[in-house]
Amino acid sequence: QKEVEQNSGPLSVPEGAIASLNCTYSDRVSQSFFWYRQYSGKSPELIMSIYSNGDKEDGRFTAQLNKASQYVSLLIRDSQPSDSATYLCAVNSYPNNAGNMLTFGGGTRLMVKP
Amino acid sequence: DADVTQTPRNRITKTGKRIMLECSQTKGHDRMYWYRQDPGLGLRLIYYSFDVKDINKGEISDGYSVSRQAQAKFSLSLESAIPNQTALYFCATSDPGTFTDTQYFGPGTRLTVL
Repeated sequence: QKEVEQNSGPLSVPEGAIASLNCTYSDRVSQSFFWYRQYSGKSPELIMSIYSNGDKEDGRFTAQLNKASQYVSLLIRDSQPSDSATYLCAVNSYPNNAGNMLTFGGGTRLMVKP
Repeated sequence: DADVTQTPRNRITKTGKRIMLECSQTKGHDRMYWYRQDPGLGLRLIYYSFDVKDINKGEISDGYSVSRQAQAKFSLSLESAIPNQTALYFCATSDPGTFTDTQYFGPGTRLTVL
C-alpha cells in the first residue's frame, strides 16, 4: 500500500514568516510530486509540482525534493493570512504513459496569524 | 465559466436511496476521476476513466458505480446510500498529452446520508 504522510497540524506561523510543510512517501518508484492548496469547503488547487531532486521556486513558494530520503517539502516565504489553508501533498508512482494515479496525504492545515 | 462542473453542489439523502452525482468538463481532457474526501484523510480515489471505453476501480470503489456517457461527462452513483458515504466528493480531469498530466478539480459535492 502506497502511503503519503503529512503532519495534520495546525501549523501556526506569524505573518511574514517562512512556513515549512513536510511530506514523506513510501513508494521508492514515485516520480512526480505535487502540492495542492485547499481552502475550507473548496476544491484543491495545484500550486507546485516537482520531478527532480533539489529545489524548485515559483514566487513565494519553493518545493524541495529528496528522493533518497523519500521526502518532499513546501516552503512559503513571507507568509500571508491569505495563505491560511490546508496543503495537500500528492505523489504519482506511475510513469505518465500509464496514467497519472495520485496518492494524497491527509493534508497539513496552515494558519498564518496577522 | 468553470472548466469542471459538478451537480448537485449539496445533497442530503436518506439511507437506502439511490443517488447520482454528475461531472461535466469543457477542458477536452480524456481522463476523469472521482474522489471522496473525509476530514483528515485526504482524497481517496473511487473510480477513474482514461477514455469513454476505459473505466477502472480505484482504492475505495465498493458501494459505488460510474458511467462515462461522453468524453465530457462522468457520473458517480451510489446505488443504496449509507451514512458512512457522507463526504465531500470531487471530480477531476487530466490531459495525458502534457508531461505533468496535472489533475484539475471540480468544485465538489457535499453529500450527507442520514
